[in-house]
Amino acid sequence: DTGVSQNPRHKITKRGQNVTFRCDPISEHNRLYWYRQTLGQGPEFLTYFQNEAQLEKSRLLSDRFSAERPKGSFSTLEIQRTEQGDSAMYLCASSLTSPVTDTQYFGPGTRLTVL
Amino acid sequence: GNSVTQMEGPVTLSEEAFLTINCTYTATGYPSLFWYVQYPGEGLQLLLKATKADDKGSNKGFEATYRKETTSFHLEKGSVQVSDSAVYFCALTPRQGGSEKLVFGKGTKLTVNP
Repeated sequence: DTGVSQNPRHKITKRGQNVTFRCDPISEHNRLYWYRQTLGQGPEFLTYFQNEAQLEKSRLLSDRFSAERPKGSFSTLEIQRTEQGDSAMYLCASSLTSPVTDTQYFGPGTRLTVL
Repeated sequence: GNSVTQMEGPVTLSEEAFLTINCTYTATGYPSLFWYVQYPGEGLQLLLKATKADDKGSNKGFEATYRKETTSFHLEKGSVQVSDSAVYFCALTPRQGGSEKLVFGKGTKLTVNP
């Protein structure tokens, strides 16, 4: 069990550029979640997948954001035409659907800075 | 809607002091409740959880009891250590309509001095 990994850990980009983040969940976990955390706030839910199906999206997820999990394993989160307001920590979490536990395990996050 | 309110920090305590971090919630169904902790430079870690009314979650000397009548899930520890310095987040999953997303409070920063 290597835990949830995210790449890159840090990303600095200029306004208007596109960025893509990757999340690798714990290997047997079928659910994968994306959250966004800004300074001094708790994480806010963006979207989640069960296997390759995207089951829920937050209203926070504008048309510039898209997430995929093509084979039910790793996931990518793309932000198009980045804005300064997109600067945040992007967190990924995974869990295993189970009658006894639904604990979400978090990765270290990708910190995005939009200049 | 679903929301979590936790006491504002920062909280500063001396080692071996008693800790309480208040957390109340609003939910339309029967949520599961969680405390997550974020140590400096590290990712979020689950500290404890409770899935139904009157359940008590416990871990590493921390405890919290799911109180449906007061919609609360306060975090307590009898004797804090310097190593407990971190940001603590209260959270819930609504479990309504199959939603498993976590809804977090804003976090409470705890500093424990030797």
